[in-house]
Amino acid sequence: ETGVTQTPRHLVMGMTNKKSLKCEQHLGHNAMYWYKQSAKKPLELMFVYNFKEQTENNSVPSRFSPECPNSSHLFLHLHTLQPEDSALYLCASSLGTSGAFSSYEQYFGPGTRLTVT
Amino acid sequence: LAKTTQPISMDSYEGQEVNITCSHNNIATNDYITWYQQFPSQGPRFIIQGYKTKVTNEVASLFIPADRKSSTLSLPRVSLSDTAVYYCLVEGGNKLVFGAGTILRVKS
Repeated sequence: ETGVTQTPRHLVMGMTNKKSLKCEQHLGHNAMYWYKQSAKKPLELMFVYNFKEQTENNSVPSRFSPECPNSSHLFLHLHTLQPEDSALYLCASSLGTSGAFSSYEQYFGPGTRLTVT
Repeated sequence: LAKTTQPISMDSYEGQEVNITCSHNNIATNDYITWYQQFPSQGPRFIIQGYKTKVTNEVASLFIPADRKSSTLSLPRVSLSDTAVYYCLVEGGNKLVFGAGTILRVKS
């Protein structure tokens, strides 16, 4: 138990569906992240939020829409996905975000296994 | 943006020391190096982090040479439960670049 929970753990959706992934952290952290982990690629950073403000969007397609209503919750809204979007989506949180000569340990949730049919 | 390279896999036996090296040739002056461990069906878990020279904690050591173009994670006396994927991460200024991961298989 890392203090970061993700729901659902598994999701199957069609290409025309709209669904949302939820992440919640109980660690009092200020930064939250979405990552995509595919079978044949390294962990890819998608979005970073710090104090509810988006600070990084790693050229993610607009069919992925993040939302961070407060520092404890992070959502990833999905619509019109493609089969190649099937992957494990990981949420993480940290006390702060990396800056000049500073870095923070990230705590990861267990992930949501997404299958797009 | 720093690019990282790690071996795809390594095999070891229980009780041995394992060293996994990550190359990061264009690491920036401000970047930190962090290592994570991941078991199947779980998210990655922090192991150790460093900026230069040597860092040691209760589970691992991290060696970073003066030029910082590589780093080596050292796991002393591995056990079967250390079988996992190990990722090196170079991070700085909101840029996070994970390596492809090294599958470590520990045999009895």
